Amino acid sequence: AQKITQTQPGMFVQEKEAVTLDCTYDTSDQSYGLFWYKQPSSGEMIFLIYQGSYDEQNATEGRYSLNFQKARKSANLVISASQLGDSAMYFCAMRETGDKLIFGTGTRLQVFP
Amino acid sequence: GAVVSQHPSRVICKSGTSVKIECRSLDFQATTMFWYRQFPKQSLMLMATSNEGSKATYEQGVEKDKFLINHASLTLSTLTVTSAHPEDSSFYICSARDRGGRVGYTFGSGTRLTVV
Repeated sequence: AQKITQTQPGMFVQEKEAVTLDCTYDTSDQSYGLFWYKQPSSGEMIFLIYQGSYDEQNATEGRYSLNFQKARKSANLVISASQLGDSAMYFCAMRETGDKLIFGTGTRLQVFP
Repeated sequence: GAVVSQHPSRVICKSGTSVKIECRSLDFQATTMFWYRQFPKQSLMLMATSNEGSKATYEQGVEKDKFLINHASLTLSTLTVTSAHPEDSSFYICSARDRGGRVGYTFGSGTRLTVV
């Protein structure tokens, strides 16, 4: 069973607009962590934001915020004021037992002028 | 911040030869490293977990005799693709667990392997 689900293979957003990238997860652990990474065409994995399962507040990092809905097991990434440089693949990931980081299938975001 | 150096960034090898990829943590001790494989336009698939001083733990379906992992020190883990075939061509990327850092995981820059 897939543990991290990203249902949007591709998304388009106009520059300066906000965009939400969806992520749902499945775990029976009480303690877990959720991550979002950006992967440009160069291949490097750039950490964007982290949400712990016990964190009461939604995480924010600059233009990135995580809409964490624990009961629905969703951890959507919101990018505000999109920039052309935001065009990349975005991966949602979950830390599971054994500290393994498991990734979703990714969403390709394209920002247009 | 924590840095993981991965080499080489690109390698082309002939079918049947072996290729070694190194991941080195530069400013922290990485007792655990993870190796991923990524085919074009696909996700990162975890291949194995490398633990310093012990045998690596491989994910289901990953051939341990083909993908040899050695984690001989707290700062170095290596992945050797043995008897490489064209279907092994892929992007390989390592990640180290950085317990002291806020992020928790630091990734190498990846190795693009092409087997001809």
